Amino acid sequence: QVQLQQSGPGLVKPSQTLSLTCAISGDSVSSNNAAWNWIRQSPSRGLEWLGRTFYRSKWYNEYAVSVNSRITINPDTSKNQFFLQLNSVTPEDTAVYYCARDYYDSGDYKFDCWGQGTLVTVSS
Amino acid sequence: QTVVTQEPSLTVSPGGTVTLTCASSTGAVTSGYYPNWFQQKPGQAPRALIYSTSNKQSWTPARFSGSLLGGKAALTLSGVQPEDEAEYYCLLYYGGAWVFGGGTKLTVL
Repeated sequence: QVQLQQSGPGLVKPSQTLSLTCAISGDSVSSNNAAWNWIRQSPSRGLEWLGRTFYRSKWYNEYAVSVNSRITINPDTSKNQFFLQLNSVTPEDTAVYYCARDYYDSGDYKFDCWGQGTLVTVSS
Repeated sequence: QTVVTQEPSLTVSPGGTVTLTCASSTGAVTSGYYPNWFQQKPGQAPRALIYSTSNKQSWTPARFSGSLLGGKAALTLSGVQPEDEAEYYCLLYYGGAWVFGGGTKLTVL
């Protein structure tokens, strides 16, 4: 059974970098079928997919246009986890952040596992 | 900017049937968008229900079904239970990015 455990600060100052970690158990960050996503949710923006990282003989990243210039998602194969970094944050980046797995198999894409969520507040 | 549109709210009676839809600003939704559906209750993370249009997760009750309907992805609940009251979100893949719908608040009354 795949489980995702999030960690990271709940308060970030404006203009600084938001950093979160998602630790994976029950699967490998280097899986050739899985992709590792970051998603956020706020009352004003609803659920918003931010991006993902995945390994298919080499590492790939896909990012939402809305955050493309500020976001980095990286794997850590030594600790079987992945990270979110969002630069130059503003109060509009205040949200609950989730990590999630999507799994590709036999022509199907399946989102099947989510982290517990981390409320990140951007405030001085 | 791609927009995925869902009904903001729907009401259904216990035991009834309701269909939620998910439309794309780019045109008809097809299986190539790999529609996924999620249920979210207050204070909880979203829970996956349906993937790739019509496939149920192992924990999805039989009363939930997914399909394509009139150029949209659809989630149908048959024999609605009080515990189905929740927010429902669809998610579509645009070949490099996933986009969520705005969600449908389902009230069971």
